[in-house]
Amino acid sequence: GENVEQHPSTLSVQEGDSAVIKCTYSDSASNYFPWYKQELGKRPQLIIDIRSNVGEKKDQRIAVTLNKTAKHFSLHITETQPEDSAVYFCAATPSGNDYKLSFGAGTTVTVRA
Amino acid sequence: KAGVTQTPRYLIKTRGQQVTLSCSPISGHRSVSWYQQTPGQGLQFLFEYFSETQRNKGNFPGRFSGRQFSNSRSEMNVSTLELGDSALYLCASSPRGTGIQETQYFGPGTRLLVL
Repeated sequence: GENVEQHPSTLSVQEGDSAVIKCTYSDSASNYFPWYKQELGKRPQLIIDIRSNVGEKKDQRIAVTLNKTAKHFSLHITETQPEDSAVYFCAATPSGNDYKLSFGAGTTVTVRA
Repeated sequence: KAGVTQTPRYLIKTRGQQVTLSCSPISGHRSVSWYQQTPGQGLQFLFEYFSETQRNKGNFPGRFSGRQFSNSRSEMNVSTLELGDSALYLCASSPRGTGIQETQYFGPGTRLLVL
């Protein structure tokens, strides 16, 4: 099955700085890579996703890059703000009928004011 | 559209009991997945239902089971509860359940505490 590793487990950044979270996956058949943000006591919410035929995707201050050869993908948050403080999860899902999300362990991001 | 809803939101049970959790997907969504979230193990896939059929199952013991009704609402059941079953149980729905590049939308979760 798919194994997703996520680093770092915790990340503290100064407001206005950038944050980068990296994930690797094991199943070369995986073709969809979403990122979820979970604030304390709330449900995970999709913030950005990328398909395997795209190398990079950007949405305002958030960007995701994908390297299929190396089997890793990264989340980049620029100009961090206090409301970016949350736990971020990467996930991967393979193609075909094996329909499920395999999550990374999560990264707790703290933005210092 | 209303989001994914789950009931109850909080539950306290004792070891050996059983529990049933409910999930109502976004209207029109046909696929419902269940996940267990714990501090130690993170988010782990339990199972996924589509058109009242379980299509995928994670690595959980048979004490964990589920079903889906014709209106796409889903329930999961845990029998003979153990302390380690204490967790946040999340369900997620997606529109067509094609298994290819669909966004999953999560509910608020049911927090289960087993004493």
